[in-house]
Amino acid sequence: DVKVTQSSRYLVKRTGEKVFLECVQDMDHENMFWYRQDPGLGLRLIYFSYDVKMKEKGDIPEGYSVSREKKERFSLILESASTNQTSMYLCASSHTFRADTQYFGPGTRLTVL
Amino acid sequence: AQSVTQLDSHVSVSEGTPVLLRCNYSSSYSPSLFWYVQHPNKGLQLLLKYTSAATLVKGINGFEAEFKKSETSFHLTKPSAHMSDAAEYFCVVSGGTSYGKLTFGQGTILTVHP
Repeated sequence: DVKVTQSSRYLVKRTGEKVFLECVQDMDHENMFWYRQDPGLGLRLIYFSYDVKMKEKGDIPEGYSVSREKKERFSLILESASTNQTSMYLCASSHTFRADTQYFGPGTRLTVL
Repeated sequence: AQSVTQLDSHVSVSEGTPVLLRCNYSSSYSPSLFWYVQHPNKGLQLLLKYTSAATLVKGINGFEAEFKKSETSFHLTKPSAHMSDAAEYFCVVSGGTSYGKLTFGQGTILTVHP
């Protein structure tokens, strides 16, 4: 089974803190994605990466950055957390040749106070 | 550009009755279409996927969806609801990019009453 894990299920941070969300996949997938999920809005793509050290902006990249130093690990960084970044964050991965079949992690519920 | 509209934000059914979750899509390309399910406090699970083969797609747990190009619809159905079907369901479209960008609908929360 494909496994995508995220470092925390729940996280509480204060406004202005730097926040790191980690995602690891064990299937040697080239593509990795970060989404945020908000009620009534579905999932929206923040950033994705198609190779080590490569990254592309998604639909809502403002206020976020990412890092992919190893193929299996994709980090989402909130440089200075704000209350409007309180959300559920989901990581996903996929293989290049079945790029749209994505496998999702359990999610991290981030609260920014 | 592609988009997805789920026509109902909430659907409520009784156990044993049919389920219908409606989805319309828009895509400039021949799309791949998906339904994902998310149970409370769980990750997203793929229910089924359409990729231009048979227009009626069967998925897990007795769900199926029919691709209707003329109506740009991809509605999800199940003949008989079970209590364990209570969850949030997302209709998703993919197409036109090499990295498999997915566009999600807003989600439909399915409630199943005893």
